[in-house]
Amino acid sequence: SQQGEEDPQALSIQEGENATMNCSYKTSINNLQWYRQNSGRGLVHLILIRSNEREKHSGRLRVTLDTSKKSSSLLITASRAADTASYFCATDSPDRGSTLGRLYFGRGTQLTVWP
Amino acid sequence: SQTIHQWPATLVQPVGSPLSLECTVEGTSNPNLYWYRQAAGRGLQLLFYSVGIGQISSEVPQNLSASRPQDRQFILSSKKLLLSDSGFYLCAWSDGTVRETQYFGPGTRLLVL
Repeated sequence: SQQGEEDPQALSIQEGENATMNCSYKTSINNLQWYRQNSGRGLVHLILIRSNEREKHSGRLRVTLDTSKKSSSLLITASRAADTASYFCATDSPDRGSTLGRLYFGRGTQLTVWP
Repeated sequence: SQTIHQWPATLVQPVGSPLSLECTVEGTSNPNLYWYRQAAGRGLQLLFYSVGIGQISSEVPQNLSASRPQDRQFILSSKKLLLSDSGFYLCAWSDGTVRETQYFGPGTRLLVL
């Protein structure tokens, strides 16, 4: 079952523009993560933000977390054609008892960056 | 450094045939291991996870089974494939203690005809 839901489902922008993707979830969390998936490949971890953090940066990535609204956003600044990929948010879920490292993934946002 | 391998990369199998997909992890001990299936344009569905040798938990009832014969080996199997088993299968591992970030293999694309 899924917990996170990304929005929009698809996003198309020009190189140099910023891309913002959102994720909403339903239960309390310890942390939220963003992953990237190039077409036909495995997922790659991008960034993890903990429930007591509000914002985190990694290179051109900026992630925010609002636990009161149960939402997160991923901002990619100065996008490049190589950023074209699907982006997934994933949450743990302590409300569901022992998580055993279980993550709940959304359906993803397909980002296309045109050169 | 840790690496994760999956094979084969692509597989085309007839309905009713058996299946065996293998996943191995290098460079870590006692990992948590996971099998996911991803339908086209969809999110990831967790199929199985394992916290140790011989310990398998199933998330959804299905035509598939999993085994962990060694610490860093995770196998996904089926005795008789169905058309609905087609998809992209991903293996992942996480640190057995921290259990936060998951690291994914390259995936196996399975087409059942």
